Amino acid sequence: QVQLQESGPGLVKPSETLSLTCNVSGGSTRSYYWSWVRQPPGKGLEWIGYIYYSGSTNYNPSLKSRVTISVDTSRNQFSLTLSSVTAADTAVYYCARHAAFLQTGPFDYWGQGTLVTVSS
Amino acid sequence: DIQMTQSPSSLSASVGDRVTISCRASQSISDYLNWYRQKPGKAPNLLIHAASSLQSGVPSRFSGSGSGTDFTLTISSLQPEDFATYYCQQNYSPPYTFGGGTKVEIK
Repeated sequence: QVQLQESGPGLVKPSETLSLTCNVSGGSTRSYYWSWVRQPPGKGLEWIGYIYYSGSTNYNPSLKSRVTISVDTSRNQFSLTLSSVTAADTAVYYCARHAAFLQTGPFDYWGQGTLVTVSS
Repeated sequence: DIQMTQSPSSLSASVGDRVTISCRASQSISDYLNWYRQKPGKAPNLLIHAASSLQSGVPSRFSGSGSGTDFTLTISSLQPEDFATYYCQQNYSPPYTFGGGTKVEIK
């Protein structure tokens, strides 16, 4: 059974950089696409971007200037960095796997999510 | 970006009721449409992919239909665990976008 687990600081100061890691167990990061999705408290879901195990990426244009997603297949994990954060970046951040080895695959496995609060 | 519009935003229903949720895309997305259920405090869970394909392990009371711009999620007989928020999502082209959600509440 594939499991995803997000980790990282729960509190980030405004203007600083948010960094999260998603550890994948029960399966390999190879041959799949992996995404980050976020959800502000009480609001809907926003796709942040994806990475393929080869390192190719695609980011949401609304965040593209501030986002970097990377993958470390040797550690079976992938990571998110979001720079110059503001209170609007406060959200639960989820990592997720795309099904069927496709960038267009639906998200079939999700992490439990981690709340990141931006506050001084 | 492709905009996804769900309706209604909320509904009240009873256990055993048949429930229908609609999702409309701002342009044709063929059948690149997925449905998720999200319980409070939990991650979304994939129910339907490719507009009408039931995800493995998901009960058969869930079904999806539609193509192009108009899609529907139907729950044939609402169960207690189905009181949750439902989201549609297009994976036709990035940025992948979600509908605003439909909250199903107990009547």
